[in-house]
Amino acid sequence: QSALTQPASVSGSPGQSIAISCTGTSSDVGDYKHVSWYQQHPGKAPKLMIYDVSDRPSGVSDRFSGSKSGNTASLTISGLQAEDEANYYCSSYTSNNTWVFGGGTKLTVL
Amino acid sequence: QVQLVQSGAELKKPGASLKVSCKASGYTLTSYKMHWVRQAPGQGLEWMGIINPNGGSTTYAQRLQGRVTLTRDTSTSTVYMELSSLRSEDTAVYYCARDNWKWSFDCWGQGTLVTVPS
Repeated sequence: QSALTQPASVSGSPGQSIAISCTGTSSDVGDYKHVSWYQQHPGKAPKLMIYDVSDRPSGVSDRFSGSKSGNTASLTISGLQAEDEANYYCSSYTSNNTWVFGGGTKLTVL
Repeated sequence: QVQLVQSGAELKKPGASLKVSCKASGYTLTSYKMHWVRQAPGQGLEWMGIINPNGGSTTYAQRLQGRVTLTRDTSTSTVYMELSSLRSEDTAVYYCARDNWKWSFDCWGQGTLVTVPS
C-alpha cells in the first residue's frame, strides 16, 4: 500500500486560509468516507483533528474543516494562527482492511 | 480521562527483538481496538497494525508481516507490540493509538523511542 500524497509544505499569513490536499486511489480515499487528519507539533504525539472526511472531534476548533472529491481529500484551516504551525498528516482506511498515512505537510505561519 | 502510557525508550542490537507495552486507563480496554504507528526520525507516520483486545484478532501492514506481533493482556489493560529481527531502519518512535470506531485514532500514547544502531 503506497503512502497517500500530500504537498511537502504550505504556508500562509495569520488570518488567511490554507488548504492541504491528500491524494490516494480508488482503493482508499476514493472508496471510503474514512479519511482523517492529524496535527503534530515537534516532539509531540499526533492529535486527531478531522475524522470521516469532515467531522470534528469535540474540542477541535471550527477553523478546521475537511472535504473530499474523488480520490483527493482536503483539510482547510481558516483564520490561520501562529499555534497552527505544525505537521499535518492524512490517513485513510483501505480495501485491504488496513490503514495508510500521507507523507505529511509542514505548515508554516508567516 | 482516557490515557495510554507506553514503556520507556529502548536501545537494541541488530537482529534482536523488541517488546513495547501500552497501558490503557480511563476506559475498558476491550471496548476499543488499538493501532500501532511508528515514525522514523524526521519522517512521516507509518501504520503497523491493529488489534481487537476483545478476542485478540489482528491485522498487520504487509511490509511488516512476519516480523510484528500484537498481543494484549486484558487483566492489566495492556497491549503489546513485538518486532523481531530488528535492523537500523526500525529506529523510530513507536506509538499506540486507540481506534474510535470511526476508522481514526482518537487517543495516542506518549511514544516510545527505539534505537537500533547500524
